[in-house]
Parts: sequence; structure tokens; C-alpha cells
Amino acid sequence: EVQLVETGGGLIQPGGSLRLSCTASGFTVSSNYMSWVRQAPGKGLEWVSLLYSGGSTYYTDSVKGRFTISRDNSKNTLYLQMNSLRAEDTAVYFCARLNHEGDYFAYWGQGTLVTVSS
Amino acid sequence: EIVMTQSPATLSVSPGERATLSCRASQSVSSKLAWYQQKPGQAPRLLIYGASTRATGIPARFSGSGSGTEFTLTISSLQSEDFAVYSCQQYNNWYTFGQGTKLEIK
Repeated sequence: EVQLVETGGGLIQPGGSLRLSCTASGFTVSSNYMSWVRQAPGKGLEWVSLLYSGGSTYYTDSVKGRFTISRDNSKNTLYLQMNSLRAEDTAVYFCARLNHEGDYFAYWGQGTLVTVSS
Repeated sequence: EIVMTQSPATLSVSPGERATLSCRASQSVSSKLAWYQQKPGQAPRLLIYGASTRATGIPARFSGSGSGTEFTLTISSLQSEDFAVYSCQQYNNWYTFGQGTKLEIK
């Protein structure tokens, strides 16, 4: 059974850093397209970042240069390093595994809440 | 960026009735459209991909249609567990989601 469990969220001051983790089971992270998707309070879903199985990374414009997606194959875990956090980064962050072609989000974790506030 | 617009924002329907949710793309996305269901405090669940293909385990009362810029999700006979927020997502040019339609009990 595919499972994704996110951890690492919390309250952080503007300008601070946070690292989110997504531990996977039931499949191999390094063999799949993996993403982070976020949802601000009362808003719709927003794609944040993508990690190809081959290692290429992609980001939505608003987080380029501030967020870094990565994985640890030995831990079967996906990460999102978030630096220079802003109030508008406040959201529930979901880890998701895409389908094999990297089109849609086939499996999701429960999410972890990041609140950026002073 | 392709903007996805869903309507209505809230839909009130009685159990057993049919619900029709709409999603419009700002430019053609062909059939590269997915639908998700999300309940409070839960992860989104994939319902439909390719505009009309049900994901594994999704009941037949859920159906999707459309192509280009206009898409529809239909739930033929609403069950209590179907009241949730539904979001569409295009994957023709990166990934963008609609703002969601809340399906509530009438």
C-alpha cells in the first residue's frame, strides 16, 4: 500500500527556514515523479515543486531561489527545504506522487501545516 | 500560466440527486485534466484523469467529460460520503488547479 507521511511543519518567523520531510512506503521514491503541493488557508491547491526520477527539479515562480526539493534514497524520503519564508508561504504542504508519466497527482500525504508569522 | 476556473463555488444538492460541477481552462488543455475530491483535514484523492478515466477504486457514479477548455464532473446519485470539495487540475502546461467547488448537503 502506498503511504506518504509529511513532517516538519510549524510556526516560523518571516525570513526563517524550515525543512519538510515526506517519508514514503509501498514504493520507491527515486523511481517516481514526486512533488510538493500547497494549500493556503481557504484557498485552492497550488503546485510548488517537482522532482523527476532522473533528478531534475522544477519550481513554481514564487518559490524559485528560496525552496529546494531533494530526496534521500536510503531513507526513501522526499524533502522540501524552505528558506527566506514569507507570510504568503503559509499553507498546508502536501507531498504527492505523480503517475508514471508525471501528469497528475495519484497519491497524496495528509499534509503538514506551515505558518509564517511574527 | 493556464488559469482554471470552477463553477459554482458552492453547490447544494440533496442526497440521491445528480451533481454537475464545471471547470474551465483559460486556454486549451486537450484532455489533460484531472479531478480530485478533498474532505476537511484529509488529503486530496484522485478521481478522474484524462478528463474521463476513473482512477482505481472510484465508483461508477463519478464521471468526467469534456476537452479543450470546458470540462464537467458529474456525480450521478449523491451519497453522504460524496459531500466534499472538488478541484480540477490541468497538466497540459505544468500544473494548475481550480479554486474548488464545495458540494454541500441541501
